[in-house]
Amino acid sequence: ETGVTQTPRHLVMGMTNKKSLKCEQHLGHNAMYWYKQSAKKPLELMFVYNFKEQTENNSVPSRFSPECPNSSHLFLHLHTLQPEDSALYLCASSRQPGSNQPQHFGDGTRLSIL
Amino acid sequence: QQPVQSPQAVILREGEDAVINCSSSKALYSVHWYRQKHGEAPVFLMILLKGGEQKGHEKISASFNEKKQQSSLYLTASQLSYSGTYFCGTGTGNQFYFGTGTSLTVIP
Repeated sequence: ETGVTQTPRHLVMGMTNKKSLKCEQHLGHNAMYWYKQSAKKPLELMFVYNFKEQTENNSVPSRFSPECPNSSHLFLHLHTLQPEDSALYLCASSRQPGSNQPQHFGDGTRLSIL
Repeated sequence: QQPVQSPQAVILREGEDAVINCSSSKALYSVHWYRQKHGEAPVFLMILLKGGEQKGHEKISASFNEKKQQSSLYLTASQLSYSGTYFCGTGTGNQFYFGTGTSLTVIP
């Protein structure tokens, strides 16, 4: 059972396409995160939102554009991606932001860039 | 900033024990442990918030040595369901860093 839902589960897109990843959490949490997980690499934190406000942006290229309209929904808008952007993109949420809070993850979107 | 885990991979027979270590070059203020099965989301196991703390979850427990900037995860009498990749994680403020991961395979 997961309280964090991500759609789509799989996405194949060309480098010139524009697409969006969606994340929804049903846990009543205030913080939401985007992570990138590449093959044979650890999870990398991309963005952190607290009460809809972005609090961290870890030098992520501008071709990734996050949006958090409310504390339950998080989007990642994608445009003109590169082949090295192919990865599993995971959304997570926690009650509050901060390293003393457990994070709950969605199943991820497997993104492939042609 | 990223914690380093050891070993990178381990294969166990059912019933055997294992230890996974997580070390950081920076001060650790808290340590999380997660397990990720292939094709699934990482699942939170436990969090240790202060040095010397030890916690348990079924037959999985962890310790946190703040002075040595490291944490260890102990899997006792392993079961097939324990297979997966284990990650430690730590951070300060709103930053969070996952460890390099340890692949654990339990065979009958």
